[in-house]
Amino acid sequence: QKEVEQDPGPLSVPEGAIVSLNCTYSNSAFQYFMWYRQYSRKGPELLMYTYSSGNKEDGRFTAQVDKSSKYISLFIRDSQPSDSATYLCAMSASGGSNYKLTFGKGTLLTVNP
Amino acid sequence: ETGVTQTPRHLVMGMTNKKSLKCEQHLGHNAMYWYKQSAKKPLELMFVYNFKEQTENNSVPSRFSPECPNSSHLFLHLHTLQPEDSALYLCASSLDRGRTDTQYFGPGTRLTVL
Repeated sequence: QKEVEQDPGPLSVPEGAIVSLNCTYSNSAFQYFMWYRQYSRKGPELLMYTYSSGNKEDGRFTAQVDKSSKYISLFIRDSQPSDSATYLCAMSASGGSNYKLTFGKGTLLTVNP
Repeated sequence: ETGVTQTPRHLVMGMTNKKSLKCEQHLGHNAMYWYKQSAKKPLELMFVYNFKEQTENNSVPSRFSPECPNSSHLFLHLHTLQPEDSALYLCASSLDRGRTDTQYFGPGTRLTVL
């Protein structure tokens, strides 16, 4: 079983839709959870950062972490064509040599006007 | 310039060539990273430097040779590469190696090995 599983898509939605992106993981030591957005021909940019379980909201974006299910989600409300990108989940444990990020493969999202 | 910059943005090289990738960060960070991003695969961590000292070599073949002369600059020297080394090479930096919440990426160098 891979450490982090992420459906690569592609996912295509109409403008204004609510988008749900998900990752599952197997390593129960992961405590830090991140979502990165990567536009074509660009490097990933950090979108959301969450520690442990719970929700975090930033504008149209909400990150959820359910450690009991080893499942994380990113919701995008009122999606815009400018949200079209690849979304990468990443996670890490804490302390010592466990700081390294483990990434999912990324989900390609297209928001159609 | 701000953030993390990488040069060149695109590189085509033959298997016998020697080339170098350059990364510079303007964020005052102390940790720098090289990642490889291949199609259909997750980002792979290659090397980590923390305060100019290499702290991680993720079983990377010796044809990739990193160099970190100071906390702001990172190089990846390439020689006798293989076609399967074609990928996007991303540089990143963070406050220190434990601060994954502050990890910022450069735009990457798209490498093609013929």
